[in-house]
Amino acid sequence: EAGVVQSPRYKIIEKKQPVAFWCNPISGHNTLYWYRQNLGQGPELLIRYENEEAVDDSQLPKDRFSAERLKGVDSTLKIQPAELGDSAVYLCASSFGTSGTDTQYFGPGTRLTVL
Amino acid sequence: TQLLEQSPQFLSIQEGENLTVYCNSSSVFSSLQWYRQEPGEGPVLLVTVVTGGEVKKLKRLTFQFGDARKDSSLHITAAQPGDTGLYLCAGEDNNAGNMLTFGGGTRLMVKP
Repeated sequence: EAGVVQSPRYKIIEKKQPVAFWCNPISGHNTLYWYRQNLGQGPELLIRYENEEAVDDSQLPKDRFSAERLKGVDSTLKIQPAELGDSAVYLCASSFGTSGTDTQYFGPGTRLTVL
Repeated sequence: TQLLEQSPQFLSIQEGENLTVYCNSSSVFSSLQWYRQEPGEGPVLLVTVVTGGEVKKLKRLTFQFGDARKDSSLHITAAQPGDTGLYLCAGEDNNAGNMLTFGGGTRLMVKP
C-alpha cells in the first residue's frame, strides 16, 4: 500500500514569491493534516481536514497561508508571499479518523528554503 | 497551549550502551505517542500509551507513561547504530479534537 505522497520534495524560492505544496493521503483516510517543522523542533499543526472540511486551522497564518482539500482527497498548501521565516519542512499526514486509536501516517515532507 | 519538553535535546553514545530520554509536561494528556524520524523522512509512530503507569515494550525499547499522564520516558537497552534518529513525543488531548502536540525531540546518535 502506498504511503502519503508529497511533492515537491525540495523547493527553493526567493522571498515574496508564491509556493505551493501538494499532498496525496493514503487511500481511504478521511483526515488530513498539514504540519510545519522548523529545524531542530517537533512538528506544529497548521490545519486539519475531515474530508473536505477544515476543522482546525487556528495555527494557520491566514494572511499568507491558504489550504484546500477538494473532493476530500488530495490537498494543497499555498504560501503567498513567502517570507524568510517560512523556511521549514512542511509535513502532510493522514489518518482514517480522529480517535485516539487512529494512527497518523506522515509523508516525507517538502523542505522549503526561502532566500 | 500545552507544551511538551524533551530531554536531553542531543545524545551521542557508543553502541551497546543504555539510554533514557524524557518527555515532560505540566498538562495531562489523554494519550502519549512516541515517534522516530530519520533525515528526509516523516515521523513514524513507535507506540501509543494511554493508561497512567502503563509500560510498553518494543524489542529493546521500553516506554512508560507517568501515573498522572503528564510525562513519559523511553529507555533503549543496548543501543545499536540503527537506533540513530530523532525521537519525538506527542501528547494527544481528547478535549481538543485529538490534536497532537509534539515535543522538540531528542536527537540520538549511536556510534559503532
